[in-house]
Amino acid sequence: GENVEQHPSTLSVQEGDSAVIKCTYSDSASNYFPWYKQELGKRPQLIIDIRSNVGEKKDQRIAVTLNKTAKHFSLHITETQPEDSAVYFCAAMNTGNQFYFGTGTSLTVIP
Amino acid sequence: AAGVIQSPRHLIKEKRETATLKCYPIPRHDTVYWYQQGPGQDPQFLISFYEKMQSDKGSIPDRFSAQQFSDYHSELNMSSLELGDSALYFCASSSGGGGRPFYEQYFGPGTRLTVT
Repeated sequence: GENVEQHPSTLSVQEGDSAVIKCTYSDSASNYFPWYKQELGKRPQLIIDIRSNVGEKKDQRIAVTLNKTAKHFSLHITETQPEDSAVYFCAAMNTGNQFYFGTGTSLTVIP
Repeated sequence: AAGVIQSPRHLIKEKRETATLKCYPIPRHDTVYWYQQGPGQDPQFLISFYEKMQSDKGSIPDRFSAQQFSDYHSELNMSSLELGDSALYFCASSSGGGGRPFYEQYFGPGTRLTVT
């Protein structure tokens, strides 16, 4: 099955700096890679996603890159704000439409 | 816009009791997924349904069962509850599944189950 690894597990940045979270996956057949933001006690919220036929996608301050050859994908948040503080999960979907989540990154943006 | 609805939001049960969690997907979504999230852990996939048929199975214990009904809502039935079943249970829905083009999963607010 698929195995998704996520790093770092915790990340602290100063407000206005950039944050990068990286994930690797094992199943080369995985073809959809969403990122979720989860605030304490809340549901995971989809913030951005990328499909295997695309190398990069950007939405305002958030961008995701995918390297299919290396089987890794990354979330980039620029100009971080305190409200970006949350746990971020990456996920990979295999051909069976089953999601495999990374173990999460707790991001703290320091004002 | 309508979102995924889960009920109840909180549930307290004793060991060896049973529990039923309900999920109402976003209108016109035909696929439902169940996840279990322990404290400080990532969501673990339990089971999914597409067009009322089980489409995939993850780490769901044999004590749990689920089904999707004709109106696409789904129920997760949990029997012989154990302390370790205490967790947040999320339902997610999407339009697409069962080999069709896949679309994003949208999560419900979750049901917090506490087993004492």
